[in-house]
Amino acid sequence: DAGVIQSPRHEVTEMGQEVTLRCKPISGHDYLFWYRQTMMRGLELLIYFNNNVPIDDSGMPEDRFSAKMPNASFSTLKIQPSEPRDSAVYFCASRRTSYNEQFFGPGTRLTVL
Amino acid sequence: SQQGEEDPQALSIQEGENATMNCSYKTSINNLQWYRQNSGRGLVHLILIRSNEREKHSGRLRVTLDTSKKSSSLLITASRAADTASYFCATDYNAGNMLTFGGGTRLMVKP
Repeated sequence: DAGVIQSPRHEVTEMGQEVTLRCKPISGHDYLFWYRQTMMRGLELLIYFNNNVPIDDSGMPEDRFSAKMPNASFSTLKIQPSEPRDSAVYFCASRRTSYNEQFFGPGTRLTVL
Repeated sequence: SQQGEEDPQALSIQEGENATMNCSYKTSINNLQWYRQNSGRGLVHLILIRSNEREKHSGRLRVTLDTSKKSSSLLITASRAADTASYFCATDYNAGNMLTFGGGTRLMVKP
C-alpha cells in the first residue's frame, strides 16, 4: 500500500486566493482526519470523517475553511479566501475502525503571502 | 483544550544514552499513543498504551502510564542518531476518533 497520499506537497499562494488540498486515504480505512501544524499552536485536529460523513468539524477555524469527502478514496480541504495566518503544514491521516493507530500523510506545506 | 504537555521541549544526548520524555494530560483517557515525526515528514505511530495498562515495551521503546498522576513517559534505550526526531504524545478521549496531541519533545542524538 502506498500509504496516505497528499497533494500538493508545497503550495505558495497570495492572500485572497482559493487553496485546495487533496488527500487519498489508505484503502480500507473508514476514518479520515485533517490536521494543521504550526509552531505556535502545535498539531490541531480540524475535522474528521467516518464513512465519508463529516462527524466533528469543531476544529475548523472559520467559515473560510471547508472540507469534503465525496467518496472513500478522496477528500479535499479548501480555504477561500486564504490569509497569511493560514500558513502551516496540513496533514491528512486515516485509520481503520478496528485499530486506534492513525496513519499520516507527508503533509502539504502552505505558504500564503 | 484537553492537550497533553510534553517535557522536556528539547533533549540532546549522545548516541548510546537513554532518552526519557514525559507527557501529562488533564482528563480521563481511553488510551495514550506516542508518535514520532522526522523533520519535514508526517507522524508515525510508535506505541499505544491502554488506560488499564501500566507499562508496555516495543523493541527499544518502553512506555509507562500512571493514570492517577495523569502522566506517561517514553523511554528510548541505547539511542541512535536515527532516533533524532520530534516525539508527540496523543491522548485518546473518544475511542480513537479524536486524538489530542501535545507540543512534542525535540530529540537530538549526537553520533
